[in-house]
Amino acid sequence: DAGVTQSPTHLIKTRGQQVTLRCSPISGHKSVSWYQQVLGQGPQFIFQYYEKEERGRGNFPDRFSARQFPNYSSELNVNALLLGDSALYLCASSGGTGGSSYEQYFGPGTRLTVT
Amino acid sequence: GNSVTQMEGPVTLSEEAFLTINCTYTATGYPSLFWYVQYPGEGLQLLLKATKADDKGSNKGFEATYRKETTSFHLEKGSVQVSDSAVYFCALNSLEYGNKLVFGAGTILRVKS
Repeated sequence: DAGVTQSPTHLIKTRGQQVTLRCSPISGHKSVSWYQQVLGQGPQFIFQYYEKEERGRGNFPDRFSARQFPNYSSELNVNALLLGDSALYLCASSGGTGGSSYEQYFGPGTRLTVT
Repeated sequence: GNSVTQMEGPVTLSEEAFLTINCTYTATGYPSLFWYVQYPGEGLQLLLKATKADDKGSNKGFEATYRKETTSFHLEKGSVQVSDSAVYFCALNSLEYGNKLVFGAGTILRVKS
């Protein structure tokens, strides 16, 4: 079975631009979470979606938004890019939000560079 | 709030040496604990987990025991290999706050042949 897939792999944007990152969860998984990993640090939670509804949001500005589609894939949008948004953006999927289905599986990430 | 503290790296070991990477946590409720590994240029892979006190997670020769009394989840391996060189992240998941993982800063492990 395919794991979590993310696209694109790498992206270079200019300050002030907007970017959309995409994620497809493992087949059968209904929850997607997004994390930002700045170089040399641990991943920081951005959003969690379950059944197309936002279930959690981390301490990120409103420039960050996301959505989940009926097929459970997800997009992360970042507007008005800043240099500090340069990071590896990781998507994780899980079966659900509770019980034994909480275990999260990560994709390879999208490396965003803002110049 | 919930937080995870890991020992700073890099940790440099010779092949076949014993490995310990310390991890302590602060959490409300009863979190599940995880170790993830990140190889260069890749995403995170779940290495092992423990869901309740005194549970021992193990995988690929790595072990960690959930110690509630010391709020710790130290990672150990008896004999490291060059292929174990990677960044190791300790994390917790408190379902009281949804399915959010809280990560430590990561510990770089370098194994020399």
